[in-house]
Amino acid sequence: DVKVTQSSRYLVKRTGEKVFLECVQDMDHENMFWYRQDPGLGLRLIYFSYDVKMKEKGDIPEGYSVSREKKERFSLILESASTNQTSMYLCASSFAGAYSNQPQHFGDGTRLSIL
Amino acid sequence: AQTVTQSQPEMSVQEAETVTLSCTYDTSESDYYLFWYKQPPSRQMILVIRQEAYKQQNATENRFSVNFQKAAKSFSLKISDSQLGDAAMYFCAYRSAGLSGGGADGLTFGKGTHLIIQP
Repeated sequence: DVKVTQSSRYLVKRTGEKVFLECVQDMDHENMFWYRQDPGLGLRLIYFSYDVKMKEKGDIPEGYSVSREKKERFSLILESASTNQTSMYLCASSFAGAYSNQPQHFGDGTRLSIL
Repeated sequence: AQTVTQSQPEMSVQEAETVTLSCTYDTSESDYYLFWYKQPPSRQMILVIRQEAYKQQNATENRFSVNFQKAAKSFSLKISDSQLGDAAMYFCAYRSAGLSGGGADGLTFGKGTHLIIQP
């Protein structure tokens, strides 16, 4: 089975801190994604990566950056955390393929609170 | 940009009955994929069923089936013989096909439907 592991289930940080959310997948997937999940808004794409050192902005990239130095690891960075970034963050991965119907596999999520 | 609309924030069904969750989407593309994901309380999001837009036949997975109406841009999920374990948030999602990003385009999600199963 595909395993997508997020480093923390719950995280509490302070306003202005630099925050790192880590995600590791074990299926050699080319694609990795970071989503934010808020009640009543569903999931929204923050950033994605289709290869090592490659990244693309999603729908809501403001206030975030990402890093992908190794194929299996994709990090989300909050440069200066703000209270409006309190949310559930979900990492996902999938095989590449322009015409592939391969689904994305999700981690358990990190519930981040910014105080 | 594509949008996905789930018009039912919450649905309730008696155990063993059938329920249908609605999903509509807006796109100008002709080739794409549609997915239903399930997210149980405090648990991982998992794939329920997928549909390729070029396929006319509706996808089925055991008790789960879809009614895909491409012209109407509708993609509803039917759950037959509902079970207590089906209680969850259900998300409809869209992904573009084609060469954009090598297939790495993220999913566009609806806001979700909270499904309650009454024992």
